Amino acid sequence: GAGVSQSPSNKVTEKGKDVELRCDPISGHTALYWYRQSLGQGLEFLIYFQGNSAPDKSGLPSDRFSAERTGGSVSTLTIQRTQQEDSAVYLCASSLVGGASGNTIYFGEGSWLTVV
Amino acid sequence: EDQVTQSPEALRLQEGESSSLNCSYTVSGLRGLFWYRQDPGKGPEFLFTLYSAGEEKEKERLKATLTKKESFLHITAPKPEDSATYLCAVQAEQTGANNLFFGTGTRLTVIP
Repeated sequence: GAGVSQSPSNKVTEKGKDVELRCDPISGHTALYWYRQSLGQGLEFLIYFQGNSAPDKSGLPSDRFSAERTGGSVSTLTIQRTQQEDSAVYLCASSLVGGASGNTIYFGEGSWLTVV
Repeated sequence: EDQVTQSPEALRLQEGESSSLNCSYTVSGLRGLFWYRQDPGKGPEFLFTLYSAGEEKEKERLKATLTKKESFLHITAPKPEDSATYLCAVQAEQTGANNLFFGTGTRLTVIP
């Protein structure tokens, strides 16, 4: 596609429910990233995929968070047993290659998650 | 520990009033410094990448510069459509080239 596509754009869920957020990267981009942006906070790195593998999961805040990528393309971020502190904008990004200096990372519009 | 600090947090300018935004960084082994623009409810939009001290890049009314400790985003004769949050991010050897470490941004408002 022309840009990074994310769905849903908005999600309201009840505390304790599981949610899935989807990301479709720019066509041909091998690297995919998930970030989180909380109100008044900077963007926080969550996980990086190169192809279908995730060599860097260091930013996942707890074991309730997981992500997978299939076919070297679409990725899903899953949050289990959601908590109110999970409320944030979840941003997906992609780049042509990963692990390269100065590699430009392009972002999607984000999925706004509200846990009530 | 890598740190990125942006100042000011918020800036209000009259249309046509030029100014600069600052991004100070402390990282081990800078690989790249990035500027993004973020409009409310949108994802960050890429503006510039700077790789080494002394480098400058320009795009319309924006010019980004880099020293060994900080980067400036100069805005010349801003227009209301330049109103947005401007984010600075670094890519460093310590955090890995796999991700960007972001500052909290400068929220710019340009008044007609």
